[in-house]
Parts: sequence; C-alpha cells; structure tokens
Amino acid sequence: AQSVTQLGSHVSVSEGALVLLRCNYSSSVPPYLFWYVQYPNQGLQLLLKYTSAATLVKGINGFEAEFKKSETSFHLTKPSAHMSDAAEYFCAALFNSGGSNYKLTFGKGTLLTVNP
Amino acid sequence: NAGVTQTPKFQVLKTGQSMTLQCAQDMNHEYMSWYRQDPGMGLRLIHYSVGAGITDQGEVPNGYNVSRSTTEDFPLRLLSAAPSQTSVYFCASSYSIGGLLYGYTFGSGTRLTVV
Repeated sequence: AQSVTQLGSHVSVSEGALVLLRCNYSSSVPPYLFWYVQYPNQGLQLLLKYTSAATLVKGINGFEAEFKKSETSFHLTKPSAHMSDAAEYFCAALFNSGGSNYKLTFGKGTLLTVNP
Repeated sequence: NAGVTQTPKFQVLKTGQSMTLQCAQDMNHEYMSWYRQDPGMGLRLIHYSVGAGITDQGEVPNGYNVSRSTTEDFPLRLLSAAPSQTSVYFCASSYSIGGLLYGYTFGSGTRLTVV
C-alpha cells in the first residue's frame, strides 16, 4: 500500500544544532514529495517539494531535503536550528490512485522542539 | 488576497446536529479536497473533487457529504455530528497539469468540537 512514514513523532534539538526530520515513502513508483510546516493554531505552509527534477531540493527558511530513490527517503534538514523553527512538520507524497487521479497522503507529523 | 477561505474558524455542535463547513478558492483550481487533522494521525483525506460536478471519497469519508457545483466552492456537510468528528478540518486546492497536482494551497482550518 502507498504510504508515508515519519520516523519520530517528536524531535528535540538545541538552538544552533542540526535539524534532521526523517520521511520514508512506500510506493513502486517514486511520487512527488512535499514537506509542510504547521505553527501552532495555524494552517499548513509548504516548505519545499520534489517533482523529479533535482534530487536536492532547497526550500524556505534554510531547509532542504534530499530525495534518495534507493532508500525511498526524503529527509528534511537544516544546518542550524533557530527558535522560530519550533513547529510540527509533515511529509506528504502525491500518489497515483488510478488513471489520472492523484491523492496527497500525509505522514503523521513530527513535532520539532528547539531548546535555548 | 488570493487563496483558500474556510468558514467558520470555530464551531461547537451538539451530537446529532448537522452543519456545513464552507470552503472557497479564487485561484481557479480544478482540484479541491478536505482533510481532517487529529493528534498523532497527521492529515487524513475525507473527500476530494477533480472538477465541478465530480467528487470522490478519500480515506475517511463516513459521516461526511460533499458536492461541487462550482469551481470555486467545495462545502463539507456533516449529516449527524458525532463526538468522533471533533477535529480540525482543512480544505485545500490545487491546479493540475496532465493530472499531476501542483501548488497545493491550504485554508486556515475549522476547529470543530462535537459535544
């Protein structure tokens, strides 16, 4: 079955430390992949997306993600965490559900805490 | 500002009541969808529409109805509210090229409590 798995429901880092949020997908065909961020009591904001062009994708706020087909992964990284990065992050994949129908499927989210 | 507008932002219902969550977009997107967000569950697809007059079920459609009479609007109806439908609901729209979806835009959400 097509699915998205985020490893770690909660990640805690110190300010200035590397941020690594993990995402794996399950699909026979590599899907388009997305990372969204959600700040408390707000909607979802697109951080970056992979659409089969460059495998290393740069997004907003200094985040980037690398698509690795052999590992079916799309991990999100940021070299140096900032307090303002504290939020919940969702990985999503656009799967083909038959014919020309596509569905955006989300992982369960990873809550990022940044400690001073 | 262009985007996806959801109303209301907050709602409290009694068990058994019905209501409609409104969603409108002004970007001429063909594709619209409804998700619910629950703690630890991520976002789960309820219903979606690939164009006016066309709707289909997502992952968790039970207890919800949708219709798409215009490109702009995609209301979500709760027929008989249950406490299990307490959630935050997000509407999203997207344009498509050859069936592939690009430019997903989310509304700010409706926080629904059923008592």
